[in-house]
Amino acid sequence: SQTIHQWPATLVQPVGSPLSLECTVEGTSNPNLYWYRQAAGRGLQLLFYSVGIGQISSEVPQNLSASRPQDRQFILSSKKLLLSDSGFYLCAWTVRVAQTYEQYFGPGTRLTVT
Amino acid sequence: QKEVEQNSGPLSVPEGAIASLNCTYSDRVSQSFFWYRQYSGKSPELIMSIYSNGDKEDGRFTAQLNKASQYVSLLIRDSQPSDSATYLCAVNWSNYQLIWGAGTKLIIKP
Repeated sequence: SQTIHQWPATLVQPVGSPLSLECTVEGTSNPNLYWYRQAAGRGLQLLFYSVGIGQISSEVPQNLSASRPQDRQFILSSKKLLLSDSGFYLCAWTVRVAQTYEQYFGPGTRLTVT
Repeated sequence: QKEVEQNSGPLSVPEGAIASLNCTYSDRVSQSFFWYRQYSGKSPELIMSIYSNGDKEDGRFTAQLNKASQYVSLLIRDSQPSDSATYLCAVNWSNYQLIWGAGTKLIIKP
């Protein structure tokens, strides 16, 4: 069965520090991968998605970047964090079911920028 | 502008009653519709998907889709305190992306 891992689970970082969040998927090949952010009490904001190695689509202009160095690895980075980067970061992948794709989420990383 | 609208709530329902959650969407070409449950501090969990007009039942959950009126709903029968969560509605925009509602907070009162 497929599983998705994210780490770390929680992170407290000062403003201006760098960020690296990692997501890996097991049990599937060539998945579509996604990074979302959820601010406190808010909905999901799509940040990036990737349909293959080295293929990254950015949805929101910001100080974050994403990379996909391997088929089942997706990394979210920042060179300098802002206070507004605080939130719950979720990695997701899709599985084809009949005529559509269903999205499944990892456990998330809660980031607090201080 | 593609949008998915949900009442933010909170929706308070007595234990054992039916909870009814609603969602409307703007994109007429959307074909797939999803309900996710999110407990506080946890990631969203897919609980129902529906693709055709009408009802789809899974245990205590029933999803209802009306493409002509562009709404999708989720009914939870025999509501339990463990059903207390935020319910997110999502609608496909393409093969790769979903459009998300902001979620409805559901509170089941014992």
